[in-house]
Amino acid sequence: EPEVTQTPSHQVTQMGQEVILRCVPISNHLYFYWYRQILGQKVEFLVSFYNNEISEKSEIFDDQFSVERPDGSNFTLKIRSTKLEDSAMYFCASSVEGAPRTEAFFGQGTRLTVV
Amino acid sequence: GENVEQHPSTLSVQEGDSAVIKCTYSDSASNYFPWYKQELGKGPQLIIDIRSNVGEKKDQRIAVTLNKTAKHFSLHITETQPEDSAVYFCAASLNYGGSQGNLIFGKGTKLSVKP
Repeated sequence: EPEVTQTPSHQVTQMGQEVILRCVPISNHLYFYWYRQILGQKVEFLVSFYNNEISEKSEIFDDQFSVERPDGSNFTLKIRSTKLEDSAMYFCASSVEGAPRTEAFFGQGTRLTVV
Repeated sequence: GENVEQHPSTLSVQEGDSAVIKCTYSDSASNYFPWYKQELGKGPQLIIDIRSNVGEKKDQRIAVTLNKTAKHFSLHITETQPEDSAVYFCAASLNYGGSQGNLIFGKGTKLSVKP
């Protein structure tokens, strides 16, 4: 069964460092998303991406964040200068059409720890 | 913006009993309400969803009800089994022209089914 894969599963980084979280969406999907979940809190929407550009972004997604689809398979989230409060589980998701017209499939997540 | 509240945060039931998880939403324009199940080490997986033109939907042991007037929706699991143990998230989405229908999640309910 096709699935969204994320790497790494766990990333530890020092405050101020740049991190790149990687995702391989399901191959025929066209819409891509990043969500994050701070421990014990809600899953929060960060950004949606379609046709090689950002469709929507939340207020969390400030200038420190960027997304890219560098090739035909990967979808990345970059945090330029990490802060302690960026520590969270980051989920990538993809869908054939813009969710909720079709189901959004989630990856297993990357746990980012900023120390 | 939309806000989704979910209760309870933890729920423990005996195998074979029913489990009910409740969510409320704030934006009366929201029109799509999915439920996700997250098992340990995995990403959220859609288990059932309901759209605002329907009051109830059932899929085997899982059912969802929606009360648009009261702005709440509930997940019902009957004949619970140990493999139902997981964290369950409700979400709400507004699908309007130009929106990708980004999901606003509740905080999650940790369901434990005791054999």
